[in-house]
Amino acid sequence: GESVGLHLPTLSVQEGDNSIINCAYSNSASDYFIWYKQESGKGPQFIIDIRSNMDKRQGQRVTVLLNKTVKHLSLQIAATQPGDSAVYFCAENRGSGYSTLTFGKGTMLLVSP
Amino acid sequence: GAVVSQHPSRVICKSGTSVKIECRSLDFQATTMFWYRQFPKKSLMLMATSNEGSKATYEQGVEKDKFLINHASLTLSTLTVTSAHPEDSSFYICSARGVASGYEQYFGPGTRLTVT
Repeated sequence: GESVGLHLPTLSVQEGDNSIINCAYSNSASDYFIWYKQESGKGPQFIIDIRSNMDKRQGQRVTVLLNKTVKHLSLQIAATQPGDSAVYFCAENRGSGYSTLTFGKGTMLLVSP
Repeated sequence: GAVVSQHPSRVICKSGTSVKIECRSLDFQATTMFWYRQFPKKSLMLMATSNEGSKATYEQGVEKDKFLINHASLTLSTLTVTSAHPEDSSFYICSARGVASGYEQYFGPGTRLTVT
């Protein structure tokens, strides 16, 4: 389940389940979005990106969906593995052109064997 | 490709001293480098953006005289935390973007700063 409070929102799943991590963004002019995975004590690692002229993009075991109407982004991980346990951040490129990235609050994914 | 390194990975310093963190792009030329700060269980907060050869652009609320950024070459940016205090203890992460990177930023492994 998912819990929200003083700590990072956490999603706990069983190995083999599909995981869906959600993100709401704020700027309707943002034209590029990225999902990052961050393991404890390490820098963010690129997972997948999507431009604002698309609504879906698939990678290996991951899919990103973009709903510009409600300013919502999701990351779907198929057949989640214990190695997927990490904090996942969405980031938006605010405005057109190469700008700065604004990171979302993050979701901790815990995968039980 | 697109590897970014940071040095040191961990540093402990005493209050009042200054500490320098290096960020290097190892296999590409970074026209723009970014410095972020991250508190435990929190998101990354952009501190400043630096373009090679020009002054850094600091985000609102970030003291430029306390966090000195230098981007003197296309492969190196440094962040110096001056007169460090315990509240400066944090995880500092850099990222780099090259000409061919497009939107994507490549992140370093981070530096854990502890001020005692």
